[in-house]
Amino acid sequence: DQQVKQNSPSLSVQEGRISILNCDYTNSMFDYFLWYKKYPAEGPTFLISISSIKDKNEDGRFTVFLNKSAKHLSLHIVPSQPGDSAVYFCAAIADQAGTALIFGKGTTLSVSS
Amino acid sequence: GAGVSQSPSNKVTEKGKDVELRCDPISGHTALYWYRQRLGQGLEFLIYFQGNSAPDKSGLPSDRFSAERTGESVSTLTIQRTQQEDSAVYLCASSSDRLYGYTFGSGTRLTVV
Repeated sequence: DQQVKQNSPSLSVQEGRISILNCDYTNSMFDYFLWYKKYPAEGPTFLISISSIKDKNEDGRFTVFLNKSAKHLSLHIVPSQPGDSAVYFCAAIADQAGTALIFGKGTTLSVSS
Repeated sequence: GAGVSQSPSNKVTEKGKDVELRCDPISGHTALYWYRQRLGQGLEFLIYFQGNSAPDKSGLPSDRFSAERTGESVSTLTIQRTQQEDSAVYLCASSSDRLYGYTFGSGTRLTVV
């Protein structure tokens, strides 16, 4: 039973354009959401997060949007750069449950120059 | 240390053998997590240690898997009688706050032949 779903295994975007990575979740108890980025042969690194009390959080070129009613979040990267090419993981946690982050399967982003 | 250190970085073992994977978390991080990533899959939660509390072992796939943590430092993940389906990258992470960015190590790539 996948609680965090990233239905697009891959995404290709041209440099300078917007990248939109999507994530859906099923557990209504989740109240904190994070995005991680992973390069080959390295561990994932934290990118950006959002609390369920917000619907948007922005950090430079990265913006995360949360639609609680649809149980959907998305990561926007504008403008996309070749160095953004990596695997992006969506993760969620239910703070009160005291558990660890639950991750999706990831989306591989390729940004071409 | 400056980051989460995992050893070995690569391990090839014969089916049926036991293996031990090691994780040195960031000093002062009270929480430690083990995940694994099998080929083409997302990050699968295995076990979570928080301070002196009983670990959350809910993600361990079978009783062949076990993990220990000494205080708030080193952790070892042991897989007994390894099977080919255990082949994966085993990732360790630590954090000072469960809600905020875990810091991951680079992982141990385990190959069972």
